[in-house]
Amino acid sequence: AQSVSQHNHHVILSEAASLELGCNYSYGGTVNLFWYVQYPGQHLQLLLKYFSGDPLVKGIKGFEAEFIKSKFSFNLRKPSVQWSDTAEYFCAVMHNTDKLIFGTGTRLQVFP
Amino acid sequence: DVKVTQSSRYLVKRTGEKVFLECVQDMDHENMFWYRQDPGLGLRLIYFSYDVKMKEKGDIPEGYSVSREKKERFSLILESASTNQTSMYLCASEFQGASNEKLFFGSGTQLSVL
Repeated sequence: AQSVSQHNHHVILSEAASLELGCNYSYGGTVNLFWYVQYPGQHLQLLLKYFSGDPLVKGIKGFEAEFIKSKFSFNLRKPSVQWSDTAEYFCAVMHNTDKLIFGTGTRLQVFP
Repeated sequence: DVKVTQSSRYLVKRTGEKVFLECVQDMDHENMFWYRQDPGLGLRLIYFSYDVKMKEKGDIPEGYSVSREKKERFSLILESASTNQTSMYLCASEFQGASNEKLFFGSGTQLSVL
C-alpha cells in the first residue's frame, strides 16, 4: 500500500535557522506531491505542490521543496525560518486516484 | 474565496449517541472529503464523494457513514459514537478532475466522545 513517511515528528528551531523537513513515499510510479501547512487554530492550507517539470518547487512564504525521484523524497526547505512559521506541516502524495495520502505531520516550533 | 464551513468547531457527545457533522462548501465543487486528524497519525480519509448521492469508502470508514443529498453539503454520521472516535474531523472539497491540485479545507470540528 502507498504510504508517506515524515520522520521528524517535532522540530524546534530558533529564528533565522534553516529548515528541512523530510518526506518519503513508498510508490515508485508517477506521483503528485504536496505540502500542506496548518497554523495554530487555522485550517489546512496548500504550501506547494509538484506535478511535473522542474523538481525544485517554490511555494508561498519562502518555502521550497525538491522532488528527488531516485530517493522517493520530497523534502521541504526554508533557508531562514521565522516565528510565524510555527505550525504543523503535512506531506501528501496522490497517485492514480483522487485520494490524497497524508503523512503523520511534523510540528515545527520556532522560538524568537 | 472558496469557503468550506463546518457547522461546529467543538462538539461533546456521549458514548452511544448519534452524531452528525455537517460540511457545506460554496464553490459548486463536485468532490468532497471527510478526514480525521489525530496526533502522530496525520490525516486519514474516512469517506469521500464525487457527486450527489455518491459515496466511496476511504481508508478508515468503520463506524462512520455519510450523506450527500445536495452538492454543497456532505454530512458525516457516527451512528453510535465511541470514545475512540474522539478526534479532529476535517472536511475538504475541490473541483472534479482537479487531481487534488487545490483541496480546500474547513476549520475542523473537534469532537470529544465521553
